[in-house]
Amino acid sequence: KQEVTQIPAALSVPEGENLVLNCSFTDSAIYNLQWFRQDPGKGLTSLLLIQSSQREQTSGRLNASLDKSSGRSTLYIAASQPGDSATYLCAGPTDSWGKFQFGAGTQVVVTP
Amino acid sequence: ETGVTQTPRHLVMGMTNKKSLKCEQHLGHNAMYWYKQSAKKPLELMFVYSLEERVENNSVPSRFSPECPNSSHLFLHLHTLQPEDSALYLCASSQAIGYGYTFGSGTRLTVV
Repeated sequence: KQEVTQIPAALSVPEGENLVLNCSFTDSAIYNLQWFRQDPGKGLTSLLLIQSSQREQTSGRLNASLDKSSGRSTLYIAASQPGDSATYLCAGPTDSWGKFQFGAGTQVVVTP
Repeated sequence: ETGVTQTPRHLVMGMTNKKSLKCEQHLGHNAMYWYKQSAKKPLELMFVYSLEERVENNSVPSRFSPECPNSSHLFLHLHTLQPEDSALYLCASSQAIGYGYTFGSGTRLTVV
């Protein structure tokens, strides 16, 4: 069974700093990895989806990389803003069916 | 309306009540999912439907009963719930199993 771990569990940075969020997974046969953002009490918003043939995806200030050989994905958020405060989750498929297993998330606070 | 819509947004029910959660997607996706999110715990996969057929029942108690009448609609029927079932219930869809997810905003369920 795929295990997904996110480190750190919580992170607080001043506005303007770059954020680095880590996600590790146990099954290197992963073929999709998706990053989400969740605001308190709300659903999940998809940020980036990296397919197995890709090494990274970029959207605005966000960049996510995928290294299947080491079982890691990293989400970079450049020049953080208070509006980036949320919980960030990564998810990858659990088995041949491709159902996603979620990490516990990294709670980010960006202070003005 | 686009995306994944969940109703109701909030639900309070007694332990002897019967209620249903509804999920509707307007994305033309073929797979739909129910997830449970309890406080300070990772998302737990409950049910998976692919082309209206249930392909996963992840050891969920029988007091939760899913229904997928067509590829656009997914229901979760609830009866004789316990207080520990209080959580955020999230619906998601994807083009097919293994593809990226789109989530609804969730239903916040409180069992009293």
